[in-house]
Amino acid sequence: NAGVTQTPKFRILKIGQSMTLQCTQDMNHNYMYWYRQDPGMGLKLIYYSVGAGITDKGEVPNGYNVSRSTTEDFPLRLELAAPSQTSVYFCASSSSGQGLNQPQHFGDGTRLSIL
Amino acid sequence: LAKTTQPISMDSYEGQEVNITCSHNNIATNDYITWYQQFPSQGPRFIIQGYKTKVTNEVASLFIPADRKSSTLSLPRVSLSDTAVYYCLVGPMDSNYQLIWGAGTKLIIKP
Repeated sequence: NAGVTQTPKFRILKIGQSMTLQCTQDMNHNYMYWYRQDPGMGLKLIYYSVGAGITDKGEVPNGYNVSRSTTEDFPLRLELAAPSQTSVYFCASSSSGQGLNQPQHFGDGTRLSIL
Repeated sequence: LAKTTQPISMDSYEGQEVNITCSHNNIATNDYITWYQQFPSQGPRFIIQGYKTKVTNEVASLFIPADRKSSTLSLPRVSLSDTAVYYCLVGPMDSNYQLIWGAGTKLIIKP
C-alpha cells in the first residue's frame, strides 16, 4: 500500500499565484486532514474532513480552501499565495473510528515557498 | 482543554533506555494520550496511545500514573536512528476536538 501520497514535494510560488496541493490515500480512511508546519514548530490544523462531502475548519483556515468529493482525495487550494503561507504542508488520514485522536497516517509533505 | 508540556530537547547515547515525560495537568476524564515521532523532512509517525497504566508495543512503552497528570514514553535501547522529534498529544477519542501539537521534544542520540 502507498498510504498517503502528496504531490508536489516542492513548489515555489510568486505572491498572488494560486495552486492546489494534492493528497490521496488508499487505506479507505474516512478522516483526512491538512496541516502546516513552520520551522521548529508543531503542526497546525488547517482543515479536516470526516468523510466525502464533509469538511470543517481547523485552527488556521484563512487563505485556504478544501474539497472532498471522494474518500481517497482531499486537495488543498491556495487562492492568493502570500509569504506567510511559506511552510511545509502535511496531509494525513485516520481510520473510520470516531474522533480526531485516532492514529493518523501522514504523507511526506509538500515544501512550499512563496516569494 | 488539556495542554501538554514536554522538554524542548534531550540527549542520550546508543544502547540506553530513554524516557520522555509529558505533563498534562488538566487532562479530562475521556482524554487519551498519543505519541508521535517525526524524522527530518518526513511526516509524523504514530508510535503509541494509551489511557491508563501501561501500554507496550514493538516500538515503545507508555507509562501513565493513576492520576494521569503526566505520561512517560519509554524507548528501549535507542540507536542513532531514533534521533527525531517526539510529540505528546492529549484529547478525546470520540469527538472532533482538535488536537494541539506543541513543539515536541527533540531527542538526539549520540554514538
